[in-house]
Amino acid sequence: RKEVEQDPGPFNVPEGATVAFNCTYSNSASQSFFWYRQDCRKEPKLLMSVYSSGNEDGRFTAQLNRASQYISLLIRDSKLSDSATYLCVVNSMDSNYQLIWGAGTKLIIKP
Amino acid sequence: ETGVTQSPTHLIKTRGQQVTLRCSSQSGHNTVSWYQQALGQGPQFIFQYYREEENGRGNFPPRFSGLQFPNYSSELNVNALELDDSALYLCASSFSSVETQYFGPGTRLLVL
Repeated sequence: RKEVEQDPGPFNVPEGATVAFNCTYSNSASQSFFWYRQDCRKEPKLLMSVYSSGNEDGRFTAQLNRASQYISLLIRDSKLSDSATYLCVVNSMDSNYQLIWGAGTKLIIKP
Repeated sequence: ETGVTQSPTHLIKTRGQQVTLRCSSQSGHNTVSWYQQALGQGPQFIFQYYREEENGRGNFPPRFSGLQFPNYSSELNVNALELDDSALYLCASSFSSVETQYFGPGTRLLVL
């Protein structure tokens, strides 16, 4: 089993819709969780950290479910510019500074 | 922009050759992490440097080596290149080993 797993997609979503995707992780002791966004042929960029109580940044909401070992990302009122690959990142079981990355979920927003 | 720069942007090498990739960290950052991202995959951690010392290493063979300079810029060296080394190589800098990492634009390496 991979340490961090994501549905590769693609998720094809009409503009204005709400979309959500999950990421599961295998190490119950993981402490740090992040969502990164990566545009085609570009570097990953931090979208948001994920806190135990959940957090919101504009149209984006991240949730952490420790009991089931998954994190989620919800995008409301999706825009064409939200089209990208969303990468789930978790700190490794070996050390806090080694980040383990999912393979990403591809999101395509259609007009 | 993050202020993290990498060079070169693209590189073509042949199997068996050696390559050096460079990364300049964001001002004030003392930690650099290197990642390999194959097509369709997430980044894989290669190693991290903190204040010129290797601070952790992923599951990569010894032919992947690196160093960090007093100004916190860093190099990634790969010897005896193999076809599977073809990938996007990303470096990320941070204030410390546990703080948020900011990525450079990457170096695309193609091994023929």
